[in-house]
Amino acid sequence: AQTVTQSQPEMSVQEAETVTLSCTYDTSESDYYLFWYKQPPSRQMILVIRQEAYKQQNATENRFSVNFQKAAKSFSLKISDSQLGDAAMYFCAYRSGRTSGGGADGLTFGKGTHLIIQP
Amino acid sequence: DTGVSQNPRHKITKRGQNVTFRCDPISEHNRLYWYRQTLGQGPEFLTYFQNEAQLEKSRLLSDRFSAERPKGSFSTLEIQRTEQGDSAMYLCASSQGTAVFFGSGTQLSVL
Repeated sequence: AQTVTQSQPEMSVQEAETVTLSCTYDTSESDYYLFWYKQPPSRQMILVIRQEAYKQQNATENRFSVNFQKAAKSFSLKISDSQLGDAAMYFCAYRSGRTSGGGADGLTFGKGTHLIIQP
Repeated sequence: DTGVSQNPRHKITKRGQNVTFRCDPISEHNRLYWYRQTLGQGPEFLTYFQNEAQLEKSRLLSDRFSAERPKGSFSTLEIQRTEQGDSAMYLCASSQGTAVFFGSGTQLSVL
C-alpha cells in the first residue's frame, strides 16, 4: 500500500516570503500522480498543483511550484511571494497510474501541514 | 456553479438514526469518490464509482455504510444506525482524467 508522509504539522512564513512544504511517499509503482491540495477554513479541498511521475520537469502554477525527486520519493511544494490568502491546511496526495479497479483510483493523503502567514 | 455539489452542508443526528448525503459531480465526470475526514487528519478513501458501477470499497466502509450512483450521475451515501464515531466530514469528489475535484463536504455530527 502507498503511504504519504508530511513531516511538518505546522509552518509559518512572513507575507511576501517563500516557504517550502515537504512531502515524501512510499510506493512500488512507477506510474503515478502526485498532488498538492489546499484546504482553507471553509474545508473546501482545492487542487493547487499536480505532477505526473513520468514527467521530469517540475510542475509550476503561478506562485506555486514543486520539487519532484522521483528517486528520493520526495514531492515538496514551494510557495513564492506568500499571501494572506495562502493560509490553510496543505495536503500532499498520491494516486496510482493504474486505471483498473482495486482502489487504484483513490487518493492517498498525508496528514497535512498547517500554513500560517504572518502579516 | 459547475463544481461538485454536496447536500446537506451540515447534519446533526442522534445516535442510532439513519442519514443520507447527496453528491452531484461535475457534469460528464465518469468517476465519483467518497472520502471521510476527521479533525486534524487528511481525507481517507471510502469508495468510488466509475459511471454507475461501484468498483472499490475501503475497509473503512462498514456494513452500515452504503453508497449508490444510479444512472451514473449523482450519488448518495447512507449511514445506518449512526454511531458517535461516524462524526466526520464526508467529502465527495469527481474526476474525468488525472485531476480529482472535491465538493465542500457534509459535516456530520452524531450526538
